[in-house]
Amino acid sequence: QKEVEQDPGPLSVPEGAIVSLNCTYSNSAFQYFMWYRQYSRKGPELLMYTYSSGNKEDGRFTAQVDKSSKYISLFIRDSQPSDSATYLCAMKGPQAGTALIFGKGTTLSVSS
Amino acid sequence: NAGVTQTPKFRILKIGQSMTLQCTQDMNHNYMYWYRQDPGMGLKLIYYSVGAGITDKGEVPNGYNVSRSTTEDFPLRLELAAPSQTSVYFCASSAERGSPLHFGNGTRLTVT
Repeated sequence: QKEVEQDPGPLSVPEGAIVSLNCTYSNSAFQYFMWYRQYSRKGPELLMYTYSSGNKEDGRFTAQVDKSSKYISLFIRDSQPSDSATYLCAMKGPQAGTALIFGKGTTLSVSS
Repeated sequence: NAGVTQTPKFRILKIGQSMTLQCTQDMNHNYMYWYRQDPGMGLKLIYYSVGAGITDKGEVPNGYNVSRSTTEDFPLRLELAAPSQTSVYFCASSAERGSPLHFGNGTRLTVT
């Protein structure tokens, strides 16, 4: 079983839809969870950063972490064509020496 | 506010040629990383550095070398280019290992 699993999509939705992006993981030691957004031919940029379980909201974006199920989600409300990008989840354990592990990314397309 | 700057943006190499991918950051981050991104494969860590003079291997170091003589610069060297090294290379930095990464916009390398 891979450490981090992410459905690559592609996912196509109409403008205004609610989008749900998900990752599962196998390492129960992971405590820091991030979502990066990557536009075509650009580097990934940090979108959301959460520690341990719970929700975090930032504008139209909500990140959820369910450590009991080893499952994290990113919700996008009122999706816009500008949200069309690849979304990568990333996570790490508590020790300073552990590496950030990335999912393979989900490609999202929002049509107007 | 430059962040992480990578040069060149694109490069085509012949098999057996060598080149250096340049990376510089202006955020005074101690940690710097080199990743490669292949279609459908996510980000794989090649090398990382925790400070000037200190480097270590990541998941896929074979065929690459790095050096870190200053806090700002972290060049990646390919000595004998092979077609398997065709990829998009991203440099990143962080304040500490595992905290959110700041990425450059990548170097697209083709080896033919």
